[in-house]
Amino acid sequence: DQQVKQNSPSLSVQEGRISILNCDYTNSMFDYFLWYKKYPAEGPTFLISISSIKDKNEDGRFTVFLNKSAKHLSLHIVPSQPGDSAVYFCAASANTDKLIFGTGTRLQVFP
Amino acid sequence: GAVVSQHPSWVICKSGTSVKIECRSLDFQATTMFWYRQFPKQSLMLMATSNEGSKATYEQGVEKDKFLINHASLTLSTLTVTSAHPEDSSFYICSVPAGLKANEQFFGPGTRLTVL
Repeated sequence: DQQVKQNSPSLSVQEGRISILNCDYTNSMFDYFLWYKKYPAEGPTFLISISSIKDKNEDGRFTVFLNKSAKHLSLHIVPSQPGDSAVYFCAASANTDKLIFGTGTRLQVFP
Repeated sequence: GAVVSQHPSWVICKSGTSVKIECRSLDFQATTMFWYRQFPKQSLMLMATSNEGSKATYEQGVEKDKFLINHASLTLSTLTVTSAHPEDSSFYICSVPAGLKANEQFFGPGTRLTVL
């Protein structure tokens, strides 16, 4: 049972444009959500997080939106840069418990 | 954030042998560390929670006799894949929680295991 889903395995965006990565979850107990960026053969690096008491969190070019009623969150990257090309994982947890990861979306930013 | 290292970064072994992977927290004392496994094009799956001074907690479906975890000190946890088989070939990643909360973690660079 995949509790965190990223239905788009890949996304291709032109440099300078907005990248929108989506994530859906099924467990209503999740109260904390994170986005990680991962390069091949490396561990994930933390990007941005959001608590369930908020619906938006912004950090530079990265903004995460949370829609609790739809059990959906999204990561917006604007403007997209070639260095943003990587696999992005969303993750969720309930009551500071373990992280449950999505399957990842490979983002490719082309010039 | 915490600096987490893993050794080796990649390993190739013959079927039936055992492989030990080390995870070190270089600047942070961790009573808990997490071990994940990632198959190609799949999600990171939590295998077990390593606890300093006590037994590891394994996730459902993970064989504790096959994946031995030893949390020897506050900065070192080891994962030993015993009697490895080709289906154990995967990318193994450890992480250290940031503070007391398990939902904020710093990840190591991972270890690529290939079993021939």
